[in-house]
Amino acid sequence: AQSVSQHNHHVILSEAASLELGCNYSYGGTVNLFWYVQYPGQHLQLLLKYFSGDPLVKGIKGFEAEFIKSKFSFNLRKPSVQWSDTAEYFCAANGNNRLAFGKGNQVVVIP
Amino acid sequence: DTGVSQNPRHKITKRGQNVTFRCDPISEHNRLYWYRQTLGQGPEFLTYFQNEAQLEKSRLLSDRFSAERPKGSFSTLEIQRTEQGDSAMYLCASSTGTGPDEQYFGPGTRLTVT
Repeated sequence: AQSVSQHNHHVILSEAASLELGCNYSYGGTVNLFWYVQYPGQHLQLLLKYFSGDPLVKGIKGFEAEFIKSKFSFNLRKPSVQWSDTAEYFCAANGNNRLAFGKGNQVVVIP
Repeated sequence: DTGVSQNPRHKITKRGQNVTFRCDPISEHNRLYWYRQTLGQGPEFLTYFQNEAQLEKSRLLSDRFSAERPKGSFSTLEIQRTEQGDSAMYLCASSTGTGPDEQYFGPGTRLTVT
């Protein structure tokens, strides 16, 4: 069964700092990878996705993620965060029509 | 608004009662998914439909849970004889179902069993 692990569940950082959230997945076949974001009081929204091709994918709001097949990783990055990036971030993998999510990263950006 | 909608948004019920939730997917999305999310965890897959056919059910879906999508449009999730452990956010998502695709999530129904 596929699984996704995320580390550093609680992250606190100041505005303009760089953010990197780790994601590792366990799945032997072709897998599609996603990062979802949940802002306070809102529903899950897609931040970015990887299906194939260029392993560096760019999403909304200045986020990007890099797929490294040899490391089974799909880490999320943003060079300079804003207060409005305060949210919970979930990595997910889809290998057989179902999404497997990590436990999430609660990110708090201090103005 | 053409996103995924769910009703009710909140439900408080007493242990032992039955509850039913509804999900309206994005129009013309063939696939509909149900997930459950508890505090501090990511969403966990429960079941999914391709049009009206229920194609997969998780082991998390006990006999007290049943889901339907009778006409391939909206879906209902029923929990019978609710238990306190059923308290969670129940999320619905939909996707086109063609090729590798992304799932769009609704706002969820928060269930509290007292």
